[in-house]
Amino acid sequence: DQQVKQNSPSLSVQEGRISILNCDYTNSMFDYFLWYKKYPAEGPTFLISISSIKDKNEDGRFTVFLNKSAKHLSLHIVPSQPGDSAVYFCAASALGNQFYFGTGTSLTVIP
Amino acid sequence: DVKVTQSSRYLVKRTGEKVFLECVQDMDHENMFWYRQDPGLGLRLIYFSYDVKMKEKGDIPEGYSVSREKKERFSLILESASTNQTSMYLCASKPGGYRTQNIQYFGAGTRLSVL
Repeated sequence: DQQVKQNSPSLSVQEGRISILNCDYTNSMFDYFLWYKKYPAEGPTFLISISSIKDKNEDGRFTVFLNKSAKHLSLHIVPSQPGDSAVYFCAASALGNQFYFGTGTSLTVIP
Repeated sequence: DVKVTQSSRYLVKRTGEKVFLECVQDMDHENMFWYRQDPGLGLRLIYFSYDVKMKEKGDIPEGYSVSREKKERFSLILESASTNQTSMYLCASKPGGYRTQNIQYFGAGTRLSVL
């Protein structure tokens, strides 16, 4: 059973606008959440993370929000740029080692 | 920078062949992982290893085995390749223990086709 879900397989956004990618999880023991970005024919690269003791973490144009009661996290990209076009995976872990990944959302930023 | 190197970017093998996928990391990480990525299914964990000679099954270990004889190297073995093992294989490594920066670092992937 998928413990981490990304229900939108794809998203298109105009350059300069906000991109919002969503992720839901079912395991209340998850305490650390990450977003990875993946270009075709490359491995995923780490983008941003958040611990369950926080509800928001920012890094430049990227902000991750965590709503523990709803078991929901989101990634906001503002402003979106064409180079942000990639597949984004959310991931979660409980006490460290094994990560559980979502199925990914393909973001297209239209110039 | 952390570097995770997978020995091949593309491989084509025949059904029934024994296939070795190699992964090397240069950051002295205790933990290493093998995933496969398939469209619509995301990244699924095959096996992982906490230390040399240690291994744990992930979510989809059937048809695979692993070897970790040295800390920096983690090998994935397809004992008898089948067409349903055609996929993108990703290796990752991570420092051991539970730390604030709990990040897995990935290699570039191996695209395996089994004919």
